[in-house]
Amino acid sequence: DGGITQSPKYLFRKEGQNVTLSCEQNLNHDAMYWYRQDPGQGLRLIYYSQIVNDFQKGDIAEGYSVSREKKESFPLTVTSAQKNPTAFYLCASSRKWGVNQPQHFGDGTRLSIL
Amino acid sequence: GQQLNQSPQSMFIQEGEDVSMNCTSSSIFNTWLWYKQDPGEGPVLLIALYKAGELTSNGRLTAQFGITRKDSFLNISASIPSDVGIYFCAGHLLTSGTYKYIFGTGTRLKVLA
Repeated sequence: DGGITQSPKYLFRKEGQNVTLSCEQNLNHDAMYWYRQDPGQGLRLIYYSQIVNDFQKGDIAEGYSVSREKKESFPLTVTSAQKNPTAFYLCASSRKWGVNQPQHFGDGTRLSIL
Repeated sequence: GQQLNQSPQSMFIQEGEDVSMNCTSSSIFNTWLWYKQDPGEGPVLLIALYKAGELTSNGRLTAQFGITRKDSFLNISASIPSDVGIYFCAGHLLTSGTYKYIFGTGTRLKVLA
């Protein structure tokens, strides 16, 4: 079945450590996105990629980095510069970037601080 | 910045009852999406709306794109226990030269058997 796979489901980070969250999709979608979900808040956009080898900062990109070397993969690195990384991270994709493109989500990675 | 006001924040209903929730904003949107999210899982797309006034159903779910393009509502008819979860809306707009979705904060639904 086609879909979006995020791994790991749970991740723990030590102080000063960088961690990478994986997102893979086999939907042949051009656009991919990373969101952060905190209790009581709407999803906030971290980074997005309209097409392979391209990515743009979203609303809360500080302390995060991404790459898009392959169409199906969009990993997110949470760096030590992100001082409040504890959250539920969601990866999404859409067929194209732009108007009338519903986003489909993976099952998320929950990141916690040790 | 843009924001979506989603209401109610939570609701308890009896099994078999109809449910209604809505999202409003001061911004104009070109697409509305409705999602359901279960605890610890990713959101699942329920309904997508692409033009003002559009009314779309998916089983017991019905959603409408408001005429003013600033709001949308979701109805669930004859609720069942598996309807429990968090429902949230997302509105799509062009802002500051880029397209983005704005997400509501969710309506937590609990169904009493």
